[in-house]
Amino acid sequence: AQRVTQPEKLLSVFKGAPVELKCNYSYSGSPELFWYVQYSRQRLQLLLRHISRESIKGFTADLNKGETSFHLKKPFAQEEDSAMYYCALSGTQGGSEKLVFGKGTKLTVNP
Amino acid sequence: EPEVTQTPSHQVTQMGQEVILRCVPISNHLYFYWYRQILGQKVEFLVSFYNNEISEKSEIFDDQFSVERPDGSNFTLKIRSTKLEDSAMYFCASARGRRASYGYTFGSGTRLTVV
Repeated sequence: AQRVTQPEKLLSVFKGAPVELKCNYSYSGSPELFWYVQYSRQRLQLLLRHISRESIKGFTADLNKGETSFHLKKPFAQEEDSAMYYCALSGTQGGSEKLVFGKGTKLTVNP
Repeated sequence: EPEVTQTPSHQVTQMGQEVILRCVPISNHLYFYWYRQILGQKVEFLVSFYNNEISEKSEIFDDQFSVERPDGSNFTLKIRSTKLEDSAMYFCASARGRRASYGYTFGSGTRLTVV
């Protein structure tokens, strides 16, 4: 079964501090992993995807297949990073194209 | 930047009534999706739609749900006889390609409240 777990419902850090949002997944194959972000009263937006190996707004995420994790990191958090962050998985087997989301982590960056 | 537009932003309906949630996907996108999020829970896949037919649906998407692309621009989700547990935020999304790695563009959602 496909499952995404985000163990922290809430995460609060101070501006300038490092931040790590945890994501673990369960999938019997090679999944595609994503982070989506939802700023206050705005739509879900794709932040980054593991296949791109990109850094967006200073965030990076590395897929660790051994630990089945895809944690989102930023070395120096900014107040504008405050948002809901969702980790999501898409399977590559069986032709499924749906996204399976975690429950989300609400990040608050305090001044 | 192109957007996916959803209307209405908020709908209140009585239990047992039919509702239609509307979405205008990005014009050159070919794949369309509905997701929902019950308050406090995760975003859940409902259905995907391509080439005027459903390509995948979840177990949530039972006979009371249907989707349609009536005129080549709108993409609608109909709930035939709403139940209290249908209260949720409903998100429409569209994509250029079939794989999620193309990146969905989500709409801002319709909050459905069934009373």
